[in-house]
Order: sequence, then structure tokens, then C-alpha cells
Amino acid sequence: DTAVSQTPKYLVTQMGNDKSIKCEQNLGHDTMYWYKQDSKKFLKIMFSYNNKELIINETVPNRFSPKSPDKAHLNLHINSLELGDSAVYFCASSQGAEQYFGPGTRLTVT
Amino acid sequence: GENVEQHPSTLSVQEGDSAVIKCTYSDSASNYFPWYKQELGKGPQLIIDIRSNVGEKKDQRIAVTLNKTAKHFSLHITETQPEDSAVYFCAASMGDYKLSFGAGTTVTVRA
Repeated sequence: DTAVSQTPKYLVTQMGNDKSIKCEQNLGHDTMYWYKQDSKKFLKIMFSYNNKELIINETVPNRFSPKSPDKAHLNLHINSLELGDSAVYFCASSQGAEQYFGPGTRLTVT
Repeated sequence: GENVEQHPSTLSVQEGDSAVIKCTYSDSASNYFPWYKQELGKGPQLIIDIRSNVGEKKDQRIAVTLNKTAKHFSLHITETQPEDSAVYFCAASMGDYKLSFGAGTTVTVRA
């Protein structure tokens, strides 16, 4: 009965590769988010979708592209990975103000 | 944009004592203030929140207070237990879906 799930949990890849992270929520929420947590644990929003429509697009390199095939799914595709992309990426969902986070995907770029 | 500052960055308390974490925010339009607990290897978990029309809220051993005039809010944990050890984040939102987070406080409860 996982509320917000992400796959994979760990992702190790080389510079220049393209990778995707998937997120699914079974809470029936209308809004989903991607956050990045850096090595100092700072959490920053990257994107948000409401009913499959992009509503927040922070200053993120255009190598990052979110895609929402339906309300329950929000994927993050990253092209041409760089060392600085190494971080933990969290998906979250909300219906109203309260946001609920997934377990995170630790991305390591070597 | 909203800027949230959080203090202290680390906090060590004896089991049974209280812990207090303080946050300030910059934009008076912010009206929603959640607190998250993040355990090692897990995602942030919403533990309590407060809205700008309320000054204080309690849930068992945790409480949050909000001072809109001073633009600060605090998390209070009473009778701390080892399982309270985690990183705690405050956040603020203007109701526009965007949460601005503080830098986090690592709380260690000593047995």
C-alpha cells in the first residue's frame, strides 16, 4: 500500500549517459513534484505537474525533462548526465497543501 | 522568492529533554508552514503543519508555533526519544504549490 513510489532506488551511471526515474502515486492526488536533495541535504523543487499540466518549472538545465503520462505518474528524464547531477531525487504528490514524498532515488554519476 | 532560514543546524539532546528548532521566512505572503522529518535513507515525512490563521498546533509530543508579525515559526518536541533522531526540515509556501525548505536540523537524542 505504498503511497508514493519511485524506481529505481539507486542509479549509478557514467557521464554523458541518459537516464530516467519513474514515480507513481496511488493517493489520487492531482499534483506531483520532483525535488533534488544535494549532498548538504538541501531540498529544492525542480518541477510540478497538476493534472498532467506543468505548473512549476524552476531554473533547471533543459537536460532535465519531466513527463506526466497521467495524473498518477511523473517521470524524470535526464540527458547527457554530468557529475553535478549526482544527488537524491524525490518525487512528491499533493491534494491541497500537504505534500507527501517518495523514498528517493540516489543518482551517482561517475 | 521565499527564503527560509533554519537554526540550529545540529542539535543534541538527552533522552527525555525537549528540542526546539526555529525557522524564519522572508515573504509575508507565505501562509502554510509544514515540518518534515527525514530518517536516514528515507524520504521526508510530513509530521505537522500550521497555517497562517493559527498561532499554535499540537500533536502528542510535537507542537508548532507561528508568529506572523515576526515571520518565524518553531517546532517543539517534548520528552524526546531515540526514535526522534533524524533530520528535520521546516518549509514555507504561499499556497502556490511551491515549498521553500530550510537547510535542515540534524537532531540526535542521546540515550
